[in-house]
Amino acid sequence: AQSVSQHNHHVILSEAASLELGCNYSYGGTVNLFWYVQYPGQHLQLLLKYFSGDPLVKGIKGFEAEFIKSKFSFNLRKPSVQWSDTAEYFCAVNARLLNNYGQNFVFGPGTRLSVLP
Amino acid sequence: DTAVSQTPKYLVTQMGNDKSIKCEQNLGHDTMYWYKQDSKKFLKIMFSYNNKELIINETVPNRFSPKSPDKAHLNLHINSLELGDSAVYFCASSIPLEGRSGNTIYFGEGSWLTVV
Repeated sequence: AQSVSQHNHHVILSEAASLELGCNYSYGGTVNLFWYVQYPGQHLQLLLKYFSGDPLVKGIKGFEAEFIKSKFSFNLRKPSVQWSDTAEYFCAVNARLLNNYGQNFVFGPGTRLSVLP
Repeated sequence: DTAVSQTPKYLVTQMGNDKSIKCEQNLGHDTMYWYKQDSKKFLKIMFSYNNKELIINETVPNRFSPKSPDKAHLNLHINSLELGDSAVYFCASSIPLEGRSGNTIYFGEGSWLTVV
């Protein structure tokens, strides 16, 4: 079965610090990879996604992620965080179900980012 | 213009009651989902429908029953509510996964269920 792990449960940074959130997935086939953000009290919104091509993908609000196939990783980065980046961040994998009918989106447990002003 | 809308947004109810959460998407997607997010923010798939057909049915109590009257709607009915059912329930939708082309899952704003 597909699974997604995220390295950190809670990350605390000061404004302007650099950010890297780790994500590893377990799946042998072709996958699509995503990072979603959930601001306090809100729903999940797409930050960025990787389907194919350049393994370095850029998303909204200055975020980027790098897909390293050999490491089954898709880490999220931002060179300089802001207080408004305080949120929960979820890594997700989308792949076809083993029965070859339908698909599933599997989410990691989330990483809470707290940015101190 | 909300793409995935679910109602109600907040629901407080007593143990033992039966309640429903409705979801509608206007994106023309074929696949819809219900996810449960617990107090630790862990997001877990409950059900998935593709063109009104159930394709994912994770290990959830029988008290939870999804219903998809058409591909734009996926409702969640919960019988005999328990304290542990308190969570945020997110509806979502996506297009089918075809070949190597990817797609994105879009979430509703969530329904905060509190069982007292």
